[in-house]
Amino acid sequence: DTAVSQTPKYLVTQMGNDKSIKCEQNLGHDTMYWYKQDSKKFLKIMFSYNNKELIINETVPNRFSPKSPDKAHLNLHINSLELGDSAVYFCASSQSVYTEAFFGQGTRLTVV
Amino acid sequence: GENVEQHPSTLSVQEGDSAVIKCTYSDSASNYFPWYKQELGKRPQLIIDIRSNVGEKKDQRIAVTLNKTAKHFSLHITETQPEDSAVYFCAATRVTGGGNKLTFGTGTQLKVEL
Repeated sequence: DTAVSQTPKYLVTQMGNDKSIKCEQNLGHDTMYWYKQDSKKFLKIMFSYNNKELIINETVPNRFSPKSPDKAHLNLHINSLELGDSAVYFCASSQSVYTEAFFGQGTRLTVV
Repeated sequence: GENVEQHPSTLSVQEGDSAVIKCTYSDSASNYFPWYKQELGKRPQLIIDIRSNVGEKKDQRIAVTLNKTAKHFSLHITETQPEDSAVYFCAATRVTGGGNKLTFGTGTQLKVEL
């Protein structure tokens, strides 16, 4: 069983399109996150949800909108995609602030 | 906000040698410091972590040290093996109203040569 799973694994789309990435965790964790890893491998937090409530919202364009229908799911919707949005997006979850964050396998988004 | 600096950005060692990666952080309230290993095309995975009430932690060939006064922590890998080749990330976090805001370092590409 995959602990944190996200779909799709690869996403190629044109500029201006709207796309979504889905994430699910079966670990019973309370906290979920979205991270962006750019071409230089730098990992940066985008959002954090705790029990379906938004806790952290970094300086992310409002074209990015997370949605958490329940504490096991955290989806990421992106409007009006731009070339600079191309990156690998990782979903993650953790039980608490002091415990391991488990990452999904990543979604490689390419905007052409 | 928190700022984490990591050095070196690349590190090449001979198999069997030791490797040391160093990180500094800016937020004195940070109290949890995990290290992640990311193999090519894979997800980051935790290899060791340390909390601020501990100065050193060891797990087989991997150890982490923390100096709260100087606000720096280091990863030590002994007897390196080719499978240790990967990108290593340090991170720091503190409680933020129930959320875990891991701030990552910029990563170290470790290459273990035969």
